[in-house]
Amino acid sequence: KAGVTQTPRYLIKTRGQQVTLSCSPISGHRSVSWYQQTPGQGLQFLFEYFSETQRNKGNFPGRFSGRQFSNSRSEMNVSTLELGDSALYLCASSFQGTGEEEAFFGQGTRLTVV
Amino acid sequence: AQRVTQPEKLLSVFKGAPVELKCNYSYSGSPELFWYVQYSRQRLQLLLRHISRESIKGFTADLNKGETSFHLKKPFAQEEDSAMYYCALLNSGGYQKVTFGTGTKLQVIP
Repeated sequence: KAGVTQTPRYLIKTRGQQVTLSCSPISGHRSVSWYQQTPGQGLQFLFEYFSETQRNKGNFPGRFSGRQFSNSRSEMNVSTLELGDSALYLCASSFQGTGEEEAFFGQGTRLTVV
Repeated sequence: AQRVTQPEKLLSVFKGAPVELKCNYSYSGSPELFWYVQYSRQRLQLLLRHISRESIKGFTADLNKGETSFHLKKPFAQEEDSAMYYCALLNSGGYQKVTFGTGTKLQVIP
């Protein structure tokens, strides 16, 4: 079965712009989580969606937002981009999003802000 | 607040030598702990979780609540074990709000 798909794979944006990243979970998975990965901070949790509802949120500013559609696909939006937003953005999906399940990760979207 | 600490950024061992990747956590409740691995140019993937008490690819990890540790061990390192390893904590009873450590790069020298 197809894995978690993230698009685009690479993105270059200018400071002040906004960006939307997409994540298509494994078929049947209803939980989608987003993470930011940087060399300095490692993997940091952004938010988690389940059945179109945000259930958990990490400690990121309001410029970072997301949503989930009825087919469980999720998008993440970052507005007013800053240089520090340059990172690899990963999404992960699972059936219910509980600790008993394995979360499967996508290959990520590499965002570069110039 | 929950926290995961991996004190070593890089660990280099010779092939056949024992490996121990350290992980310490801070969490007030009953934690669920995991090890994730990322091989070169591959996706992050689950290696093992403490609730399963399993051995995957020769790796084991024991949860020590007294020392708040969840170290990853393997008696004999193989070259294919070279990768980034992340320790992660999920708040018990919670959903996928996972706290990751900063990762340790394991380099197995042939």
